[in-house]
Amino acid sequence: NAGVTQTPKFQVLKTGQSMTLQCAQDMNHNSMYWYRQDPGMGLRLIYYSASEGTTDKGEVPNGYNVSRLNKREFSLRLESAAPSQTSVYFCASSVYPGQKYEQYFGPGTRLTVT
Amino acid sequence: AQSVTQPDIHITVSEGASLELRCNYSYGATPYLFWYVQSPGQGLQLLLKYFSGDTLVQGIKGFEAEFKRSQSSFNLRKPSVHWSDAAEYFCAVGKSNFGNEKLTFGTGTRLTIIP
Repeated sequence: NAGVTQTPKFQVLKTGQSMTLQCAQDMNHNSMYWYRQDPGMGLRLIYYSASEGTTDKGEVPNGYNVSRLNKREFSLRLESAAPSQTSVYFCASSVYPGQKYEQYFGPGTRLTVT
Repeated sequence: AQSVTQPDIHITVSEGASLELRCNYSYGATPYLFWYVQSPGQGLQLLLKYFSGDTLVQGIKGFEAEFKRSQSSFNLRKPSVHWSDAAEYFCAVGKSNFGNEKLTFGTGTRLTIIP
């Protein structure tokens, strides 16, 4: 099993450009998450999907959209990138929603917006 | 709202020495508590978790943590560190009821191991 995979690993965008970060998991998990990691801030939840067909906002959703394409895939879209969105983005999944279920993380996408 | 404080931004220890990483949480009810490790360039991996019961929990890679309700703490310990333990460590707290409430992460402690 590959676990949670993310593409791309690195990306540089200019302000105003758009892009989609891809995430896929092969563990048959129901729930998926997008986090951003900034120095001195820990991880902050952007959006999550408790199950296929549902998505909900997390702590910092502004400037992002998500799509739960199917059970395996959960994408994060930046419609008009801003320098404040420079960050490392992590996708995670868990078998069910709820804090008692371990979240498995992908390797991350390092995004720089100039 | 729940919060997590990791007071040490960076800790340096010698290989073979003992380690304690501090974590304090703020939450009104019984929390779910977690420690994650992030190796350079990698995603986060769960080291251990506490939900209820025995307050001393064992995790992977020889780590353990003790939940102390009176001190609102969940400190991570290892009796003898190895060079491969150099990484960033995150404490996280979640609510103890079923649902998809978010995990709240601390800001992390970077661990450096010297020979």
